[in-house]
Amino acid sequence: KAGVTQTPRYLIKTRGQQVTLSCSPISGHRSVSWYQQTPGQGLQFLFEYFSETQRNKGNFPGRFSGRQFSNSRSEMNVSTLELGDSALYLCASSLVTSGDNEQFFGPGTRLTVL
Amino acid sequence: GEDVEQSLFLSVREGDSSVINCTYTDSSSTYLYWYKQEPGAGLQLLTYIFSNMDMKQDQRLTVLLNKKDKHLSLRIADTQTGDSAIYFCAEITYTGFQKLVFGTGTRLLVSP
Repeated sequence: KAGVTQTPRYLIKTRGQQVTLSCSPISGHRSVSWYQQTPGQGLQFLFEYFSETQRNKGNFPGRFSGRQFSNSRSEMNVSTLELGDSALYLCASSLVTSGDNEQFFGPGTRLTVL
Repeated sequence: GEDVEQSLFLSVREGDSSVINCTYTDSSSTYLYWYKQEPGAGLQLLTYIFSNMDMKQDQRLTVLLNKKDKHLSLRIADTQTGDSAIYFCAEITYTGFQKLVFGTGTRLLVSP
């Protein structure tokens, strides 16, 4: 069974631009969660999608948004990029909801904002 | 608060046992997890423990849970150089909705 895939793996953008990251969950998994990992703040929860609906949201500004498609694939978007948005963005999929079941993580997308 | 604390660094010799400690905050957490992150990679779930358990053993890994002190530990027996990585503990929190809260991570260095 294929694992969680994220594209692209690496991305370089400049301040003010926007970016879209993609996550394909494990087949059959309906929940997708996104996390931001930085050296200073560690791993922080962004949001979770289940059946195309955002169910949980972390403490991030509105510039961070996401969506989930009917095939459970998810995208997250960051608009008006800031230097502090440079991070490793990880997505994780699980069968039911994040927390009740094991979360399987993708390799991440490393975003660098110049 | 939602601080999950871990010591930052642990260095051991190959063949020794490693013990990584974690202090969590949410006493209502039902599951507690240990993840491993190797350089340039995502997180790999190593093991998890349900809150009504005190101990769980899985091959070289032993998880101990002390609910009274909100203390979780991961013991790796016969540590190998391939175990060098960052280890994160994580708890479920239920502040309005459920989410995983990760610890600060412990960098384990295994020397030959």
